Amino acid sequence: DTGVSQDPRHKITKRGQNVTFRCDPISEHNRLYWYRQTLGQGPEFLTYFQNEAQLEKSRLLSDRFSAERPKGSFSTLEIQRTEQGDSAMYLCASSSPRAMNTEAFFGQGTRLTVV
Amino acid sequence: SQQGEEDPQALSIQEGENATMNCSYKTSINNLQWYRQNSGRGLVHLILIRSNEREKHSGRLRVTLDTSKKSSSLLITASRAADTASYFCAPAGGGSEKLVFGKGTKLTVNP
Repeated sequence: DTGVSQDPRHKITKRGQNVTFRCDPISEHNRLYWYRQTLGQGPEFLTYFQNEAQLEKSRLLSDRFSAERPKGSFSTLEIQRTEQGDSAMYLCASSSPRAMNTEAFFGQGTRLTVV
Repeated sequence: SQQGEEDPQALSIQEGENATMNCSYKTSINNLQWYRQNSGRGLVHLILIRSNEREKHSGRLRVTLDTSKKSSSLLITASRAADTASYFCAPAGGGSEKLVFGKGTKLTVNP
């Protein structure tokens, strides 16, 4: 296992379209996180899963955003009716269940451009 | 939430010099983590210091933690051009597993 994998790496979409991103965490990691990052800013927390349960969700996550982790392995993040303000890098991270607050391993991100 | 705030926001030094960046936070923690992000890439974990530790080393990195002042510092010694990146701290704990990042310190190491 080479780390956290995200697909696609880049996505250009027209405003109003739906997009879906996939994240494959490190295989033994039960915790999975999604972040959004815009230019010059730090990663902004979106949501967190432990196994298949979505335990935390940012208030910033509007109803157009939904994340799933149906079998506790890979996760998807869907954005419906995309807006130009959704243009950002979407980062996925995972961490091990061996202890609380362990280090997170990040994927390379999916860069979304809404035109 | 456990957001850390990094200072300075930007730092420019010459290769070979040391770089120091600071992090402040507001609530109690289990540990504090530092991450590096090269432009357009994901974050890479650098070092984790537990709340009962005061100093930790990893190669050219030295991290200190002062829980009484709720602050941490990251020192990179003998910097290299490849150290050019943004650096983020993430105070962790408080019953939450999520990591909350500030705006980071953008370090530029000039050859």
